[in-house]
Amino acid sequence: QSALTQPASVSGSPGQSITISCTGTSSDVGSYNLVSWYQQHPGKAPKLMIYEVSKRPSGVSNRFSGSKSGNTASLTISGLQAEDEADYYCCSYAGSSTFVFGTGTKVTVL
Amino acid sequence: QVQLVQSGAEVKKPGASVKVSCKASGYTFTSYGISWVRQAPGQGLEWMGWISAYNGNTNYAQKLQGRVTMTTDTSTSTAYMELRSLRSDDTAVYYCARDPTVRFLEWLGWFDPWGQGTLVTVSS
Repeated sequence: QSALTQPASVSGSPGQSITISCTGTSSDVGSYNLVSWYQQHPGKAPKLMIYEVSKRPSGVSNRFSGSKSGNTASLTISGLQAEDEADYYCCSYAGSSTFVFGTGTKVTVL
Repeated sequence: QVQLVQSGAEVKKPGASVKVSCKASGYTFTSYGISWVRQAPGQGLEWMGWISAYNGNTNYAQKLQGRVTMTTDTSTSTAYMELRSLRSDDTAVYYCARDPTVRFLEWLGWFDPWGQGTLVTVSS
């Protein structure tokens, strides 16, 4: 499977909202509600932010939200804060018992 | 708290094998699976496969089939990932992550939490 497509970078000012897209195909994102999102700070392990498209684990700020339309999933960060500056990866079930990650998006807080 | 602690960095020669461990604590080990994900330097995440700590069932990424073996030791709540016939493009940080899926085909599709990562360097 090919990696899901994400924008290489997204930026925003503190307090603003940004949205990161994750585009797949009808064989992965479009067919299953098993999309998750991970935040990774430099040199650190990834952290789960969203699972099953739009569910938020306990302890994750409600400024993070997820959605899906067709073959594209999205992660929205509202009220952008300096601590949100990190890399973000989406992940989807791709059928045949396989999972595929996105290409990754670097979020910069201006 | 739920924690996964991985073994230390490794340097291997091409053609060798490496075995990375991942010791779990803070939860019932056999109620979850463990997935393995790797990240080459400066690159994105790559899913490698999954093992059920409940019954030992495994599921590997097609590109690694035949070179990777995932196992668990329920007596010590430890998962292992062995990769054989190492090549330079296997150089990466290898992560284990708790996976809520315990039965094959009942995929839940998320990984939380993750271990701290183990750098495996393959170089002659």
